Amino acid sequence: KNEVEQSPQNLTAQEGEFITINCSYSVGISALHWLQQHPGGGIVSLFMLSSGKKKHGRLIATINIQEKHSSLHITASHPRDSAVYICAVRLALGTGGSEKLVFGKGTKLTVNP
Amino acid sequence: NAGVTQTPKFRVLKTGQSMTLLCAQDMNHEYMYWYRQDPGMGLRLIHYSVGEGTTAKGEVPDGYNVSRLKKQNFLLGLESAAPSQTSVYFCASSYWNTEAFFGQGTRLTVV
Repeated sequence: KNEVEQSPQNLTAQEGEFITINCSYSVGISALHWLQQHPGGGIVSLFMLSSGKKKHGRLIATINIQEKHSSLHITASHPRDSAVYICAVRLALGTGGSEKLVFGKGTKLTVNP
Repeated sequence: NAGVTQTPKFRVLKTGQSMTLLCAQDMNHEYMYWYRQDPGMGLRLIHYSVGEGTTAKGEVPDGYNVSRLKKQNFLLGLESAAPSQTSVYFCASSYWNTEAFFGQGTRLTVV
């Protein structure tokens, strides 16, 4: 079983719709990241959060540490939001303070005009 | 401010050839990582570094070597490329427990 599970794998929406992407994880983490990857492009960090909720423009990210669950919401979706959204959790690597990101497989979002 | 820069962006290798991927960051980050991304799988950690002169193995290190002689650079080497190493490679950097910055990726094909 993957340490990070995302749902859905694929999501198609009409412009203007409210979008929710979910991420569940099975281990203790120090933080959770939401990332965006456009086709053929690099990866951009959207949010890093360890509790509560963060908002940036039309994007909202929430995390429930007790439930080991996070959601990414997009309000008033637009075709330019079409991308793969990736959830990643930050884990400690043994001793010494080093750490790594463990990634979900991503959710491919397509927003049609 | 360039952020994280990977070179090259594309490369085709023949089986058995060697090559080095360069990752350069200008944010004075301590942590640097090399990941590979394959269809249907999340990014997987190959090697990482927590500072100049230090490197460590990640989840899928076999067939790769790394070096971090300067804080700003993290090199990923393939000594004898295999078709299984066909992938998209991403470098990332960060401070401890902060947002990670990613390069644009290197698409490598081994034939």
